[in-house]
Order: sequence, then C-alpha cells, then structure tokens
Amino acid sequence: DTGVSQDPRHKITKRGQNVTFRCDPISEHNRLYWYRQTLGQGPEFLTYFQNEAQLEKSRLLSDRFSAERPKGSFSTLEIQRTEQGDSAMYLCASSRGQGAETQYFGPGTRLLVL
Amino acid sequence: AQKVTQAQTEISVVEKEDVTLDCVYETRDTTYYLFWYKQPPSGELVFLIRRNSFDEQNEISGRYSWNFQKSTSSFNFTITASQVVDSAVYFCALFNQAGTALIFGKGTTLSVSS
Repeated sequence: DTGVSQDPRHKITKRGQNVTFRCDPISEHNRLYWYRQTLGQGPEFLTYFQNEAQLEKSRLLSDRFSAERPKGSFSTLEIQRTEQGDSAMYLCASSRGQGAETQYFGPGTRLLVL
Repeated sequence: AQKVTQAQTEISVVEKEDVTLDCVYETRDTTYYLFWYKQPPSGELVFLIRRNSFDEQNEISGRYSWNFQKSTSSFNFTITASQVVDSAVYFCALFNQAGTALIFGKGTTLSVSS
C-alpha cells in the first residue's frame, strides 16, 4: 500500500484568502480524519468521514472550514477568509474498519497566513 | 473527559543511554486503546504501537518496549541504547470506544546526541 498523501505540503497565503487542501488516503481505508497541529502541541481532531459521510465535526471547526469526501475516496479541506490564527499543520489520517483501528498519517500541509 | 498527559516536555540523552518517556491517561471507559506515534523533523506522524485496555502484557520490539499499567493509568515507552535517529517528538494518544478520534498528549521532544 502507498501511504496517505497530502497536497500541497506547504501553503503561504494572505489573510482573507481561501485555501484548499487535499488528502488521498490509503486505498480501501474507509475512515478519513483531519487534525490540526500548532507549534508545541499534539494534533487536535477536526473532523472525520466514514466513506463519504461526514460523521463528526469538532468545535474547532468554525463555519469558515468545510470538508468533503466525494465518493468516499480523497478528501478536501477548505478554509475561507483565512486568519492568522489558522496558521498550523493540517494532518490527514486514514484507517480501516469502524472502530479504534490504527490511524496512518500523511505528511501534513503546513499553512502560514500572513 | 478523556485526557493524555506527557509531563516531560524535553529530554536530552547521549547515544547508547536508555530513556523512558512517560504517558498518563484519563478515561472512564472500560474499553479503550492507547497509541504511541513518532514525529521526526520531517513532520509525518509514524505509528509505533497500539494497545487495548484488556491487554496489559508489556511489549518489546527491538530497542523499543512499552509498559502498560492500568493501576496507575500509565503507558510508558522505553528506548534502549538510544541512537541519534531516535531524535523526534513522541506522542502518546488515547482512542476510546465512545469517542471518534485520537486524543493526543502534548508530546515529548527527545534529543539524542552523539
């Protein structure tokens, strides 16, 4: 299996701009997760999908954030009207099954909002 | 509430020393899962181990070993004969049956010098 891939790896944007990140999970993994990691902290859960259904969203996921997983394959995370506080590493992970299976992480997208 | 505490923020050792990374967790669930991940400077989280709450047997994998003690709610990680390549941030995480995502500690930064 190839691992989880994310694109882009780095993104610099100006405050107020919209950005979109893509995640390609390990093939046949039906669960896909998004996390955010700020400097000196552990990753924090944002949202997850079971196939194409978005089953949970964290309170961290403001109205400016939206995630999709069309057809249960790749996923996109969009941030509208970016703010400096959105600067972070955005991590994607995938897993099999429906329970507490091991999550495998991608390399992340590092976002810097100027 | 669920919580993971990694009290050691940074540890510095010299090559070939043994080092133990502490992890204390809080959960009210009787069924839960614990994980350790390694995050090297490249940023990608690398899975190390998954342990369920019913399996208290200690595990050894090469130079790595894990000590799970339910009585003290701890899941400590020991690296024997550390090497420079072990330098990374190590995260302990909790996934409980009632939850939907991993809850990470703040991580311990391990620096191994030659």
